[in-house]
Amino acid sequence: AQSVTQLGSHVSVSEGALVLLRCNYSSSVPPYLFWYVQYPNQGLQLLLKYTSAATLVKGINGFEAEFKKSETSFHLTKPSAHMSDAAEYFCAVSEGFGNEKLTFGTGTRLTIIP
Amino acid sequence: GAVVSQHPSRVICKSGTSVKIECRSLDFQATTMFWYRQFPKQSLMLMATSNEGSKATYEQGVEKDKFLINHASLTLSTLTVTSAHPEDSSFYICSAKTRDREGGYTFGSGTRLTVV
Repeated sequence: AQSVTQLGSHVSVSEGALVLLRCNYSSSVPPYLFWYVQYPNQGLQLLLKYTSAATLVKGINGFEAEFKKSETSFHLTKPSAHMSDAAEYFCAVSEGFGNEKLTFGTGTRLTIIP
Repeated sequence: GAVVSQHPSRVICKSGTSVKIECRSLDFQATTMFWYRQFPKQSLMLMATSNEGSKATYEQGVEKDKFLINHASLTLSTLTVTSAHPEDSSFYICSAKTRDREGGYTFGSGTRLTVV
């Protein structure tokens, strides 16, 4: 079975400050890991994904995440927050090709303080 | 890139009526479509997985007779909420697996269903 834990349902950072959204996973096989962003009343947009290649993954809008197997973590970071980053962020895990169901974390709402 | 068009974006219906939600893959063939439900301020919960030309696989606790899924073609999957009740009010999102072998998914923009 696979699961995802996102620590912190709400995170607030000042504009220009570092963004750090935490995600820990559990999977019985090497996982595929994803970060998605959701704006109000919209679907999900993929920020980045890890699929067993490079452990440091760069995504869109300046976001990146590092896969750390020893810590079972896949934290999302961005060096400098922008007002447009305010949204809901979801970490998700799948067991890869052949078992493609995504399991989502509970989400983290990111607020940017001007 | 791959796009999934989901309609309607919002729908209000009366209790006891049925509502159909459509998801179309615009520039790729979606052999597998996932349907999620999202309650306010909560995460997405997988309801069912549909494969083109076969019956959908429902997650535990999801009533298959209430949430009818049809995936009759490689570009269209539909979710019909039958005999809707206020507790069915939610945000429904579809997701299609792209042909990317590295587990890519494309999400629809969601449907806000309100049952009055």
